[in-house]
Amino acid sequence: QVQLVQSGAEVKKPGASVKVSCKASGYTFSTSDINWVRQAPGQGLEWMGWMSPNSGNTVYAQKFQGRLTITSDTSISTAYMQLNSLRSEDTAVYFCARGMAAAGGGDYYYYMDVWGKGTTVIVSS
Amino acid sequence: DIQMTQSPSSLSASVGDRVTVTCRASQSISTYLNWYQQKPGTAPKLLIYAASRLQSGVPSRFSGGGSGTEFTLTISSLQPEDFATYYCQQSYRVGALTFGGGTKVQI
Repeated sequence: QVQLVQSGAEVKKPGASVKVSCKASGYTFSTSDINWVRQAPGQGLEWMGWMSPNSGNTVYAQKFQGRLTITSDTSISTAYMQLNSLRSEDTAVYFCARGMAAAGGGDYYYYMDVWGKGTTVIVSS
Repeated sequence: DIQMTQSPSSLSASVGDRVTVTCRASQSISTYLNWYQQKPGTAPKLLIYAASRLQSGVPSRFSGGGSGTEFTLTISSLQPEDFATYYCQQSYRVGALTFGGGTKVQI
């Protein structure tokens, strides 16, 4: 079945970087985008960015420009999210999610249909 | 960015109730609207995409409607497993996806 398996929890000090992995299986990795979404404790969902493994194109939310890098290794069907210059406000659960597009009436509707279980990142001195 | 506002932020309901959650966009987004369900400690689950299309495997008691700036998610007969937090998300601007703040449905 289609699944995304994420790497384990991380504890980092302020100013450090974190790199989280997301391994896909059950589908052709290069044919779908991978999104990253985070959720701070007790808070809602926040979209961070996506990349197309096929083209290598990336799009980042303005809030994370300059601090976020999303990459992939198609040979092992794995996407990565690296966030630099960590601060306490980056403490959150980070999810990867497959981006899909459905056709309808000449338009394409984009949605995230398969999610990883999440990776907890704690930033603390 | 397009702001998404959900109401109410929480609601109390009983098994068997009909429940409606509203999501408003800060500008017209046609029907580029998705709904997700999230239970504590788990990842979100896609329920509805393109405002009204039911994702495969999702029970038919869930339905979505609306277009432009106002959207609804309706649960026709609330079941025990439906107690969760629901989020809307716009995909009108794929380069700047945004979520609503969530609606917690509790007993």
